[in-house]
Amino acid sequence: EDKVVQSPLSLVVHEGDTVTLNCSYEVTNFRSLLWYKQEKKAPTFLFMLTSSGIEKKSGRLSSILDKKELFSILNITATQTGDSAVYLCAVGGTSGTYKYIFGTGTRLKVLA
Amino acid sequence: KAGVTQTPRYLIKTRGQQVTLSCSPISGHRSVSWYQQTPGQGLQFLFEYFSETQRNKGNFPGRFSGRQFSNSRSEMNVSTLELGDSALYLCASSAQQRDSMNTEAFFGQGTRLTVV
Repeated sequence: EDKVVQSPLSLVVHEGDTVTLNCSYEVTNFRSLLWYKQEKKAPTFLFMLTSSGIEKKSGRLSSILDKKELFSILNITATQTGDSAVYLCAVGGTSGTYKYIFGTGTRLKVLA
Repeated sequence: KAGVTQTPRYLIKTRGQQVTLSCSPISGHRSVSWYQQTPGQGLQFLFEYFSETQRNKGNFPGRFSGRQFSNSRSEMNVSTLELGDSALYLCASSAQQRDSMNTEAFFGQGTRLTVV
């Protein structure tokens, strides 16, 4: 059964800390891995990864994919209270039973 | 460019009723996917439409159905509502031209459905 597992489930850090969020997956014919940030309603797109070893970066956030070991990490440096959210990992495959399969998310809380 | 628009934002229905939710994708996007989000199950895929055709379908009962119009707007319908259908329903649009393309998916604000 295709699945996406995120860890940790939740995390509490202080402003200025660096965090690493993990996403491992088992999917039929992997196509892409997406990261989202969800604060209230709509998940906000962060990154799409399709190739191993190529880091995507946006400000203090970065992400990388390892297609051999079937995982991705999302790094956030110099965390701010505005980074508090649920971070979702989604993987696209070709099973026909989903467009993207989502992990349950990592809930990050950044304390001032 | 306007984002993904979902209507209504909130809905309260009674068990046994039916409901129709609407999603207008980003202009030019032809792929629309629907997801159900609940605290216990996270985001669960319902179905995807591309050029008015259902391309992928998740493991939900037949009470959940959808369609897409020629202007790419999509609707999903839930009949014979159950208490367990209470959830946030999210729609996502992608600019995908072919099934093999990798493109980002952008979400709307969702419709919060409460079944009482």
